[in-house]
Amino acid sequence: IAGITQAPTSQILAAGRRMTLRCTQDMRHNAMYWYRQDLGLGLRLIHYSNTAGTTGKGEVPDGYSVSRANTDDFPLTLASAVPSQTSVYFCASSENINQPQHFGDGTRLSIL
Amino acid sequence: QKEVEQDPGPLSVPEGAIVSLNCTYSNSAFQYFMWYRQYSRKGPELLMYTYSSGNKEDGRFTAQVDKSSKYISLFIRDSQPSDSATYLCAMSPYGGATNKLIFGTGTLLAIQP
Repeated sequence: IAGITQAPTSQILAAGRRMTLRCTQDMRHNAMYWYRQDLGLGLRLIHYSNTAGTTGKGEVPDGYSVSRANTDDFPLTLASAVPSQTSVYFCASSENINQPQHFGDGTRLSIL
Repeated sequence: QKEVEQDPGPLSVPEGAIVSLNCTYSNSAFQYFMWYRQYSRKGPELLMYTYSSGNKEDGRFTAQVDKSSKYISLFIRDSQPSDSATYLCAMSPYGGATNKLIFGTGTLLAIQP
């Protein structure tokens, strides 16, 4: 079934550790996105990539980095996790930057 | 003030009722409007996508945009228990592309059998 696969589905992590959240899509979409979803704050954009080889900062980029080496994969890295990064992280993709986004089922991350 | 405001609910209605979900916004540049449905522990799922003002219908769902009032609505007819979910509105400006997408915080809807 075509779509977006995120891994892991959930993770508990000690503060200060490095963590990479994986995202793969098989729809050959050009644009990909990372969001975090927090109660009362909704979905907030962390980083995005309009096409392979390019990335950009969203609303809340601090403490996160991304890369887009190919069309299908868009990993999100927390270099040194802090408790405020406890959240549900969603990866999304769209055919191009003017089409609606489609989401994966998220990674639930707890930083202790 | 947030750019997009959405009543968090919860909204509880009996099965078969007509449901009205709403968002207001402050940025007059918004041109693309979307509604997403999110089940518990799942990702948002695109329901409706409209450009500029007017109505769009898809089965039991109707999306309405009133740009003069900066107000969008999603109507669900003949509501079913399977419609119980959180509904998110989202919007972006013309030419601003979907990397400028702004989401509402979501309305939790419960359909009582």
